Amino acid sequence: QKEVEQNSGPLSVPEGAIASLNCTYSDRGSQSFFWYRQYSGKSPELIMFIYSNGDKEDGRFTAQLNKASQYVSLLIRDSQPSDSATYLCAVSGRGYQKVTFGIGTKLQVIP
Amino acid sequence: NAGVMQNPRHLVRRRGQEARLRCSPMKGHSHVYWYRQLPEEGLKFMVYLQKENIIDESGMPKERFSAEFPKEGPSILRIQQVVRGDSAAYFCASSPQNSGASVNEQFFGPGTRLTVL
Repeated sequence: QKEVEQNSGPLSVPEGAIASLNCTYSDRGSQSFFWYRQYSGKSPELIMFIYSNGDKEDGRFTAQLNKASQYVSLLIRDSQPSDSATYLCAVSGRGYQKVTFGIGTKLQVIP
Repeated sequence: NAGVMQNPRHLVRRRGQEARLRCSPMKGHSHVYWYRQLPEEGLKFMVYLQKENIIDESGMPKERFSAEFPKEGPSILRIQQVVRGDSAAYFCASSPQNSGASVNEQFFGPGTRLTVL
């Protein structure tokens, strides 16, 4: 079983729709959860982190965490073509521990 | 506040040569991480270093690869006797020193694209 699992996609959504990206993780001791965006040929860029159960909103982005289900998601409202990228889910323990990345989900926003 | 810097951005080596990749963390950051990313694959953790210490090298191949983060200067990822399979993007990330933090935010550099001919 992979430590952090994501559907590689591509996930295609029309412009203006809500994109929903999902991630599951295997280590119940995981404490911190991150979403990174990576454009083709570029480096990952941190979008959000979350460490408490529930929702965390930042602009058009909402991260959701359910530790009981070992599930974390990222919602992108009013999707724009510029949101087209690969979204990496990452998980770590408390403090300065190794961060494990999923393979990433490729999102395509269709104009 | 400059971000994480990596150089060179592109590196071409012939099989058997050595590759040296450099990473300067963000100002105020004392933790450095190296990752490798193959085309169409995810980021694979290689090594985590603090100044003058290797904290976790569980992702480093046993042979040919080494990393250091000296007291002065950038962190170096060194690959000896490169082979074609070493061709990949190598990313460095850094995070701040904050003893009370419970969140390990990492900020990535632009990466070094290594091509082995």
